Amino acid sequence: EAGVAQSPRYKIIEKRQSVAFWCNPISGHATLYWYQQILGQGPKLLIQFQNNGVVDDSQLPKDRFSAERLKGVDSTLKIQPAKLEDSAVYLCASSFTAALAGESYEQYFGPGTRLTVT
Amino acid sequence: KQEVTQIPAALSVPEGENLVLNCSFTDSAIYNLQWFRQDPGKGLTSLLLIQSSQREQTSGRLNASLDKSSGRSTLYIAASQPGDSATYLCAVNDYGQNFVFGPGTRLSVLP
Repeated sequence: EAGVAQSPRYKIIEKRQSVAFWCNPISGHATLYWYQQILGQGPKLLIQFQNNGVVDDSQLPKDRFSAERLKGVDSTLKIQPAKLEDSAVYLCASSFTAALAGESYEQYFGPGTRLTVT
Repeated sequence: KQEVTQIPAALSVPEGENLVLNCSFTDSAIYNLQWFRQDPGKGLTSLLLIQSSQREQTSGRLNASLDKSSGRSTLYIAASQPGDSATYLCAVNDYGQNFVFGPGTRLSVLP
């Protein structure tokens, strides 16, 4: 089974520039997550999709961050304009979500995109 | 608001030792708890997932326990090896709507 794919793996940009990250979840996984992980901290959830609908985006800085999952499969996270404090690893994860009770919601993570804003 | 802490922040042990990593959470109304491993510069690898109705899960040399009432989980690693060196994170799932991660424990196993 193929894992969660992310690209690019690394990105260096100057502040005020824009950047986009791409994620392709495990086939059949309805739920997709974007996390931000700052060095030395645990991941922080930015946005959670169920198919192509947003479940939770309460911690997404909506003045500069946007995300979409138009066809309910792959997803794009964009930052515009970037700030120095956006330097972090951006992780995408997916899980299989079913209507039946008892599903595990076990998350599977991609390798992440390391963003450096200078 | 759920908060997750992990103790210790860092741990260094000689090869062969058994060790315990701790995870605490403030709201006991959780759906499940998941332990991950993260190698430097890499994504997260799932180790064990414990449903709220379970007390423990085992995989090889790893054993994770869950005590919801006290808001605690432990990850026990038996006979540690240098290849176990990594950061270990726990994440609490609030009924599928939100995952909250702890800051992690950085483990070094010395040969």
